[in-house]
Amino acid sequence: QSALTQPASVSGSPGQSITISCTGSSSDIAYYNFVSWYQQHPGKAPKLLIYDVTDRPSGVSSRFSGSKSDNTASLTISGLQAEDEADYYCSSYTSSQTVIFGGGTKLTVL
Amino acid sequence: EVQLVESGGGEVQPGGSLRLACAASGFTSSHYWMSWVRQAPGKGLQWVANINQAGSEEYYLDSVKGRFTISRDNAKNSLYLQMTSLRAEDTAVYFCARAMIDYEYWGQGTLVTVSA
Repeated sequence: QSALTQPASVSGSPGQSITISCTGSSSDIAYYNFVSWYQQHPGKAPKLLIYDVTDRPSGVSSRFSGSKSDNTASLTISGLQAEDEADYYCSSYTSSQTVIFGGGTKLTVL
Repeated sequence: EVQLVESGGGEVQPGGSLRLACAASGFTSSHYWMSWVRQAPGKGLQWVANINQAGSEEYYLDSVKGRFTISRDNAKNSLYLQMTSLRAEDTAVYFCARAMIDYEYWGQGTLVTVSA
């Protein structure tokens, strides 16, 4: 199964908002409301930002929000900060009872 | 404090085998699904396998089916990944993670290098 489709890179200035898209299919993103988003800094383990499309784990800033429409999920980061510069990955549960990740998006804070 | 610590990585020749382990602490691992996720050097995350609380359900990435086996020992709070017939494309950092699909807790990863 091919990875979910994310833009390779996005950028924004401090204080701005950016949105990262994640496109799947009728077998994954459109099938379930089990989309997650992760942030990964170089050399570190990923950090869960969003689960079940829109929910945030305890301790995750409200600047991070998630949404979904049909087979595309989105992560929005508002009030961009320098420390947000990282790689971001989406993931979804699939109808085959597996998990699929997106290819990753590198966020640059200008 | 929840901790996951992987071990068992290393360098192995193509066709070889390796067994990874993940020691869990700070929570009762028998209450949770557990998973393995890998990341090839400079590449993205790739889900590998997961296993339910009792060890009675297992699911795998298609490319590792028949070669990798996920297992657990709840008495030892441990998760395992037995890898056989290893290929160059299996080279990656392997992370263990708590849960079936929403991974709030991850280990630091263990590097597996498959090279002649």
